[in-house]
Amino acid sequence: QKEVEQDPGPLSVPEGAIVSLNCTYSNSAFQYFMWYRQYSRKGPELLMYTYSSGNKEDGRFTAQVDKSSKYISLFIRDSQPSDSATYLCAPYGNNRLAFGKGNQVVVIP
Amino acid sequence: GAVVSQHPSWVICKSGTSVKIECRSLDFQATTMFWYRQFPKQSLMLMATSNEGSKATYEQGVEKDKFLINHASLTLSTLTVTSAHPEDSSFYICSARAGDGNTIYFGEGSWLTVV
Repeated sequence: QKEVEQDPGPLSVPEGAIVSLNCTYSNSAFQYFMWYRQYSRKGPELLMYTYSSGNKEDGRFTAQVDKSSKYISLFIRDSQPSDSATYLCAPYGNNRLAFGKGNQVVVIP
Repeated sequence: GAVVSQHPSWVICKSGTSVKIECRSLDFQATTMFWYRQFPKQSLMLMATSNEGSKATYEQGVEKDKFLINHASLTLSTLTVTSAHPEDSSFYICSARAGDGNTIYFGEGSWLTVV
């Protein structure tokens, strides 16, 4: 079983829709959970960072963590064409940051 | 957010030469930096963890004599690709762990093309 599982997509949505992304992880040592956004040919940009189970909201973005089921989600409200990118789920623990394959999102104007 | 700078952003070199890539944390001190490489449409692959003042820890399968990592200060880590070959052509990205210990910021990446 891979440490982090993400459906790579692509996921195409119309502008204004809610984008729902998720990933699962297997290592209980992961205690912190980050979502990065990566545009083509660029380095990842930190979007959200959570520690505890529950929801964390930042503008149009909401991160959700359920440690009991090892399930992580990211929601993007009122999606914009500029949100078209690859979103990387990245749990972190024991000085180690793991990545899934990333979810490719395309927001269609 | 915190800024991590990489230089150069792209470089072309001849096969057999060495190339150095710098990674700097601009507004925080980073005791730990990470080096990744990424192939097109693939996820990031961790190459090594760089700790200030000590030897880097390399992931399995990564040649430490080929990918030399130096973390000489709390704001600078360098990756040197020695005797580069065309198969080393890739996107190399560094990241740095911020002072809170749990937030990790990435640089913009460096494109290496070996011809």
